Amino acid sequence: NAGVTQTPKFQVLKTGQSMTLQCAQDMNHEYMSWYRQDPGMGLRLIHYSVGAGITDQGEVPNGYNVSRSTTEDFPLRLLSAAPSQTSVYFCASSPQGDSYEQYFGPGTRLTVT
Amino acid sequence: KNQVEQSPQSLIILEGKNCTLQCNYTVSPFSNLRWYKQDTGRGPVSLTIMTFSENTKSNGRYTATLDADTKQSSLHITASQLSDSASYICVVSADYGQNFVFGPGTRLSVLP
Repeated sequence: NAGVTQTPKFQVLKTGQSMTLQCAQDMNHEYMSWYRQDPGMGLRLIHYSVGAGITDQGEVPNGYNVSRSTTEDFPLRLLSAAPSQTSVYFCASSPQGDSYEQYFGPGTRLTVT
Repeated sequence: KNQVEQSPQSLIILEGKNCTLQCNYTVSPFSNLRWYKQDTGRGPVSLTIMTFSENTKSNGRYTATLDADTKQSSLHITASQLSDSASYICVVSADYGQNFVFGPGTRLSVLP
């Protein structure tokens, strides 16, 4: 199994540009999540999904959209990039959200200038 | 407000020594507490998951303890190795949905 994969690994955007961060998992996990990690802070939940067709907002959802058309894929869209969205983004999956281990992808480092 | 605090912020030890990292939390209702290891430039990797009824759990040279009464946890690393250099993140799960509260992490450096 490849586990959780994320692309791209690095990205530089200009303010106002849009892009999609890709996340895929091959473990048939129902739960998938997107987090951002900023220096000196814990990971913060952006959006999550408990299954195909079901998504919900996390702690910091503004400026981001998600969709879950398949169990495997959970893309994160930045609608109009802002410097405040400069961060490292992690995708995670788990069989269930609470009691089971979360598996994280390698991350995408995004810089918005 | 649900919060997880970790101490120290950073720690430097010599190879072969032991160390203990601390985690205090104010998360309610409590479901479980996790410790993750995050190497530089990588995603976090799970070390242990403990529920309310578990006081201690080991994973090789890593031993986590949990005191649910005082809302404290510790991660003890025995006979440290250079590969233990990483950030260690304490995560507490509230008893609903995807409500994981992440601590800021402790940055451990193991020197030869």
